[in-house]
Amino acid sequence: AQRVTQPEKLLSVFKGAPVELKCNYSYSGSPELFWYVQYSRQRLQLLLRHISRESIKGFTADLNKGETSFHLKKPFAQEEDSAMYYCALSRSNYQLIWGAGTKLIIKP
Amino acid sequence: DGGITQSPKYLFRKEGQNVTLSCEQNLNHDAMYWYRQDPGQGLRLIYYSQIVNDFQKGDIAEGYSVSREKKESFPLTVTSAQKNPTAFYLCASSIDNTDTQYFGPGTRLTVL
Repeated sequence: AQRVTQPEKLLSVFKGAPVELKCNYSYSGSPELFWYVQYSRQRLQLLLRHISRESIKGFTADLNKGETSFHLKKPFAQEEDSAMYYCALSRSNYQLIWGAGTKLIIKP
Repeated sequence: DGGITQSPKYLFRKEGQNVTLSCEQNLNHDAMYWYRQDPGQGLRLIYYSQIVNDFQKGDIAEGYSVSREKKESFPLTVTSAQKNPTAFYLCASSIDNTDTQYFGPGTRLTVL
């Protein structure tokens, strides 16, 4: 079955601490993965996609095909990182399968 | 923000009534999508359209209908056949079906 799992509904870390939001997927083909973010009172928007291999707002994510994971990481959390984060997988027909999301709270 | 709009923001309807949610974009995007979001769940695809005058069912199309008569517009009708219509509905668009999706602000539908 094609599935995206974000095991943490809520993650709370202190400002300046490292952050890792977990994403695991189940997909038989060659996956294309994304992280989308929704800040308070803003729209859902793309944060990064694995094929770009770029760092956005200090976040990076590496596709690990062996562990079928695409965890989102940032070495030093900032208060403005507080948001809802969604991991998504693009199927062969380019339609996205979404995880349930993780709410990240950065404590001052 | 801007570029893709949804209206209304909140919508209340009585059970058994059809209701149409609006989605408009001025980004000149070919592809448009409708998702449903329920608490504690990820987005689920209802319908998508890769090009004007064409659309396909997503994972949860039962009880919904769409049209794509214009490139800019992709309205979603929630029919009385939808057993549990109360939800948050998100519309998105992309240049094509391989590209980043841009989202509207959403419509919260409550069926009383």
